[in-house]
Amino acid sequence: EIVMTQSPATLSVSPGERVTLSCRASQSINRNLAWYQQKGGQAPRLLIYASTRATGIPARFSATGSGTEFTLTISSLQSEDFAVYYCQQYNNWPRTFGQGTKVEIK
Amino acid sequence: QVHLLQSGDEVKKPGASVTVSCKASGYTFTTYGISWVRQAPGQGLEWMGWISTFNGNTHHADKFQLTLTMTRDTSTTTAYMELRNLTSDDTAIYFCARDAHYLDFWGQGTRVTVSS
Repeated sequence: EIVMTQSPATLSVSPGERVTLSCRASQSINRNLAWYQQKGGQAPRLLIYASTRATGIPARFSATGSGTEFTLTISSLQSEDFAVYYCQQYNNWPRTFGQGTKVEIK
Repeated sequence: QVHLLQSGDEVKKPGASVTVSCKASGYTFTTYGISWVRQAPGQGLEWMGWISTFNGNTHHADKFQLTLTMTRDTSTTTAYMELRNLTSDDTAIYFCARDAHYLDFWGQGTRVTVSS
């Protein structure tokens, strides 16, 4: 199976800062990667798939990458963005998630 | 609007089975598959498997090949997940999600607790 590795595990940032999260695949997944946001006790929310923002996702969220290296960028962190972020590949079966990056208040 | 409504929380003993349902509404059920994802306490997301709502074909994560059965009922637009031979390691929140390759809509989650 494809192993997804996210870094860092935790990111301490201040509101208004620019944030970059990384996700690496153990083999090429083309552009078939999704990013999700999860806040404590809630179901995950789809943010971005194949670098396309999902419906209703603010423009401060963007994603790039192809092959094995991917990034999620939040251009100016808002208070509601403190959460855990997961990447997930859908190029191959089984689908696999990264272990998550927690974005916390500095 | 798209909505996935899951069945209620469950408490099971080790060795038992649990079935979680996921009723879909607001879209054509057979157009999208359903994936099942779980999250153990304090842990990340774990993809378990997928079912085609069109023809019932399935894909499983390797660790669930022998213990997970996914089915669907197109007449009631409901997907089901049965997990057998439960252990304490299966204590988790179980989510269903509409699978458009990416998971664009999620159920609210069903907490399954395995305890003797």
